[in-house]
Amino acid sequence: SQTIHQWPATLVQPVGSPLSLECTVEGTSNPNLYWYRQAAGRGLQLLFYSVGIGQISSEVPQNLSASRPQDRQFILSSKKLLLSDSGFYLCAWCTGYSPLHFGNGTRLTVT
Amino acid sequence: AQTVTQSQPEMSVQEAETVTLSCTYDTSENNYYLFWYKQPPSRQMILVIRQEAYKQQNATENRFSVNFQKAAKSFSLKISDSQLGDTAMYFCAFMKHSGGGADGLTFGKGTHLIIQP
Repeated sequence: SQTIHQWPATLVQPVGSPLSLECTVEGTSNPNLYWYRQAAGRGLQLLFYSVGIGQISSEVPQNLSASRPQDRQFILSSKKLLLSDSGFYLCAWCTGYSPLHFGNGTRLTVT
Repeated sequence: AQTVTQSQPEMSVQEAETVTLSCTYDTSENNYYLFWYKQPPSRQMILVIRQEAYKQQNATENRFSVNFQKAAKSFSLKISDSQLGDTAMYFCAFMKHSGGGADGLTFGKGTHLIIQP
């Protein structure tokens, strides 16, 4: 069966520090991968998606970047965090038109 | 671009009652998929139900059913015999068929459903 792992679960980082969130998927090949952000009391905003290794599409201009170094690995990064980067980050995967399957999320607090 | 609107920020009902959550969407696509996700306090996103736009029959999953009105671009979720465990944020979401589903889901802002004992 397919599983998705996302870590860390919680992160507190100072303004200006770097960020690296990692997501891996098991049990499937060539999935579509996604990073979403959920601000407090709001819906999910798509940040990045990837349909293959090295292929990244960005939905919104921002302080973050994403990379896909391996087929089932998706990384969300920042060189210098801003206060506005605080939020709940969710990684997800799907194949074709299947529903998205989500990781457990990372709660990021930038202080 | 697609938009999804959930006009009810919060709803509260008594246990065992039936509740309907509203969702409307705007798209120029003809083929697409609609979803309802549940996010309990644990914040895990859980798929509740899925509807293909080309199917006229409304999807059902146990106590959960939808009323899909394609012409009206409406996709409401009905929860029958509500239970305390149904307390959660509920998100309506849209996926277009073109592009192979690669660009993911567009979500509404959610409805916070509270089931009172």
